[in-house]
Amino acid sequence: GQQLNQSPQSMFIQEGEDVSMNCTSSSIFNTWLWYKQEPGEGPVLLIALYKAGELTSNGRLTAQFGITRKDSFLNISASIPSDVGIYFCAGQLRGSQGNLIFGKGTKLSVKP
Amino acid sequence: DAGVIQSPRHEVTEMGQEVTLRCKPISGHDYLFWYRQTMMRGLELLIYFNNNVPIDDSGMPEDRFSAKMPNASFSTLKIQPSEPRDSAVYFCASSLDYNEQFFGPGTRLTVL
Repeated sequence: GQQLNQSPQSMFIQEGEDVSMNCTSSSIFNTWLWYKQEPGEGPVLLIALYKAGELTSNGRLTAQFGITRKDSFLNISASIPSDVGIYFCAGQLRGSQGNLIFGKGTKLSVKP
Repeated sequence: DAGVIQSPRHEVTEMGQEVTLRCKPISGHDYLFWYRQTMMRGLELLIYFNNNVPIDDSGMPEDRFSAKMPNASFSTLKIQPSEPRDSAVYFCASSLDYNEQFFGPGTRLTVL
């Protein structure tokens, strides 16, 4: 089946540092979404991207839809302890409806 | 506004028993999705509905799994008979236009 390669798998950073993670695929996507999941909860939508090259911010979070439509990245600036969680990318393939394909997640740990 | 509501939050059952998971989507959302999350396989789409009609059930693992959506505000996922390998967190999500999916808190199922 289709796969999204999300990296890194985990990150251990110091509070205040910037964070960058990305998702890549060999397939073309119409939509990229970024979610955050905290323990015992469902994924929460952070940012949605719909156009190649689109750059969207949500507070300290910035995500971009890659020009090739095969990748996306998420940056978190000036990390704080509450940023801890697992971040998932999700993409919707060109020509499909409803089926989101999820990456395996990036587990972020922030040391105060 | 209430988000996606799932019940129960936790379910422990014995192998062979029937399990029913419940979901109330966000009011006005036309799409409803059932996912399963495990450490090994991540988030997997099981089935999704549009306007109460099942559109794609190709992710349903086998005939022991069934899902219904009798009306716009309620869906069930049933496993009968349950097996230990069904142990996972099951999420329900809903969306207005199949792009931005909003997840419920999940049901953690343990089959002994």
